[in-house]
Amino acid sequence: DIVMTQSPDSLSVSLGERATINCKSSKSIFYDSNNKNYLAWYQQKPGQPPKLLIFWASARDSGVPDRFSGSGSGTDFTLTINSLQAEDVAVYYCQQYSDFPLTFGAGTKVEIK
Amino acid sequence: QVHLQESGPGLVKPSQTLSLTCSVSGGSISADNYYWNWIRQYAGRGLEWIGSSSNRGDTYYNPSLKSRITISVDTSKNQYFLKMTSVTAADTAVYYCARGWGAHDPVQNWGQGTLVTVS
Repeated sequence: DIVMTQSPDSLSVSLGERATINCKSSKSIFYDSNNKNYLAWYQQKPGQPPKLLIFWASARDSGVPDRFSGSGSGTDFTLTINSLQAEDVAVYYCQQYSDFPLTFGAGTKVEIK
Repeated sequence: QVHLQESGPGLVKPSQTLSLTCSVSGGSISADNYYWNWIRQYAGRGLEWIGSSSNRGDTYYNPSLKSRITISVDTSKNQYFLKMTSVTAADTAVYYCARGWGAHDPVQNWGQGTLVTVS
C-alpha cells in the first residue's frame, strides 16, 4: 500500500494568515503518461463528510475559493490556505488515487490562533 | 446535483454480517463511467477506503478486507450495497458511500455517513 504521511498533525493560525499542510507519499504518484499527480485534498468539518478541494495535486474543484491551492509532484505535496478564514477550521486530508487500495493521510487539524 | 444516502442497521453483533445500502438520487447510477465507493472513518479521523464498483460490476477491494466484503450495484433501484461478513469491534466506524469519476479518480460526492457499531 502507498502510505500517505501528513504533517503537522495540527496547526494554529491567526485569521488572515497562511496555513501550510504537507503530505508525503511512500512512492511516486506522478505518471509520465499523462503528466499528472494522482493526489487529492479534502476538507472535513465536524459532523460532515469530507469535501473534495483539490485534485490532480493542484486543480481546484468547482466552487472552492482561490485561497486554497495545491502544489508538489512525485512524492511531496502541499496544501496552502492563504488568508485563513474562520470557516476554514477543519481537518484536511490528502489522498492518493494512483494505486489500489486508495489511501488517505491521517489528517491535519487547522484551528484559529 | 447527485445525492447519496446510506442506510442500514446502526448496531451489529460480533461475527454477524453488516449490510449497508447507498441510495443515489439526482443522477442515474447507470450513467457514465462513475465508480461507486465505500469508505469508512474511525473515531472522527482515520479514513479507510473499503472498495468500489462500476455500474457494470467491475469491482476493486481493499486487500485488507477483500475476504470479507462484497460490493454490488442494482441499477434498477439506483442503489449499491456493501456486505461485510464476520464483523468485529474493529469494524465500528462511520461508513460513507461516495462517488468517484473513475476507478483512479478522486471522490467528489459523499453521503452524510452512517455510524455502525459492532457490539
